[in-house]
Amino acid sequence: NAGVTQTPKFQVLKTGQSMTLQCAQDMNHEYMSWYRQDPGMGLRLIHYSVGAGITDQGEVPNGYNVSRSTTEDFPLRLLSAAPSQTSVYFCASSSLPYREGTEAFFGQGTRLTVV
Amino acid sequence: DQQVKQNSPSLSVQEGRISILNCDYTNSMFDYFLWYKKYPAEGPTFLISISSIKDKNEDGRFTVFLNKSAKHLSLHIVPSQPGDSAVYFCAASPSNMRFGAGTRLTVKP
Repeated sequence: NAGVTQTPKFQVLKTGQSMTLQCAQDMNHEYMSWYRQDPGMGLRLIHYSVGAGITDQGEVPNGYNVSRSTTEDFPLRLLSAAPSQTSVYFCASSSLPYREGTEAFFGQGTRLTVV
Repeated sequence: DQQVKQNSPSLSVQEGRISILNCDYTNSMFDYFLWYKKYPAEGPTFLISISSIKDKNEDGRFTVFLNKSAKHLSLHIVPSQPGDSAVYFCAASPSNMRFGAGTRLTVKP
């Protein structure tokens, strides 16, 4: 079972460069989201989607764009990388927005360093 | 504004003893709470959850307690095992999950 697949696992960017973090799930989940993990901050929600064609902002959306053209894929774009975006990024998917009996499945993460 | 707080960054317990991890929240709209476990270089994995209509949920060695009036929940692990050593995140949701900062649990043999 592939579950949630994130690529790449590691990336180093120069300030001002752009890139796309890929996320794909094979569980036919409607709900997908992106989090970033920083020391002492836990996981903070960047953007989320409740289905193809529908996205919305989370807690820390600035500097990031998302799109959801298919159920399976939810890429995260950094438009102009900044050192403050150095973090570990996690993609998650679930069958519904979190209700009893629902759990989110996470990818293995992308460690991004912006220099 | 951290709506979910885990005030203990770390906890160390002896193998076989009880581990108690705590979590506080501020938003009374939260109605579903989850605990995730995370090993280094891996994504978080779901451990146990509880809805606001309950005050306790058990799954094997793991029990989550919810005190709505205090806006507090706790995760009990009994007995603790060395393989339980990981970072534990508390999360709360009315729709999207909000996470605490995590508690690093170390279980010593």
